[in-house]
Amino acid sequence: KQEVTQIPAALSVPEGENLVLNCSFTDSAIYNLQWFRQDPGKGLTSLLLIQSSQREQTSGRLNASLDKSSGRSTLYIAASQPGDSATYLCAVFKYALNFGKGTSLLVTP
Amino acid sequence: GAVVSQHPSWVICKSGTSVKIECRSLDFQATTMFWYRQFPKQSLMLMATSNEGSKATYEQGVEKDKFLINHASLTLSTLTVTSAHPEDSSFYICSASGSGNTIYFGEGSWLTVV
Repeated sequence: KQEVTQIPAALSVPEGENLVLNCSFTDSAIYNLQWFRQDPGKGLTSLLLIQSSQREQTSGRLNASLDKSSGRSTLYIAASQPGDSATYLCAVFKYALNFGKGTSLLVTP
Repeated sequence: GAVVSQHPSWVICKSGTSVKIECRSLDFQATTMFWYRQFPKQSLMLMATSNEGSKATYEQGVEKDKFLINHASLTLSTLTVTSAHPEDSSFYICSASGSGNTIYFGEGSWLTVV
């Protein structure tokens, strides 16, 4: 069974810092990997989708990388802002999405 | 782009009653829909996978007689929580898959059983 682990579980940084969130998965036979953002009381917002044949995707200040063979992905957030405070979830897809427990990010002014 | 609509966003029901949550794909045909549940401070967990016109496949530990899933058309799947109890209070979210491997999510439904 696919297991997805996210490290760290929680992170607090001052505004302006660059940061990296980590995701690892046990079964490398995936079709794609997605990073989501979840705000309290809200649904999921998809941030980046990386297909299994891709190495990275970028959107604005976000960059996600995928090393399928080693079962790892990172989400890099540049110049963090208080509005980035949320829980970030990593999920891998084969026949369904398997989620990690998320990283709770707090960016302080 | 593709949109998945989930309704209701918030629902409060009395213990022992049933509540239905709808998941609609608005501009594409969803051959497969997924239902997830998330308890506070825990990760999203897959409850079941439904394919249009066939019975849903439930994950281990999910009671199929309690969580009824119907996927009668290519644009609609419903999750009915029967005889709801306070421990069923959770965030329920659906996702839909059309052609290819792209998954689209609904906005989720917060269920509170009192």
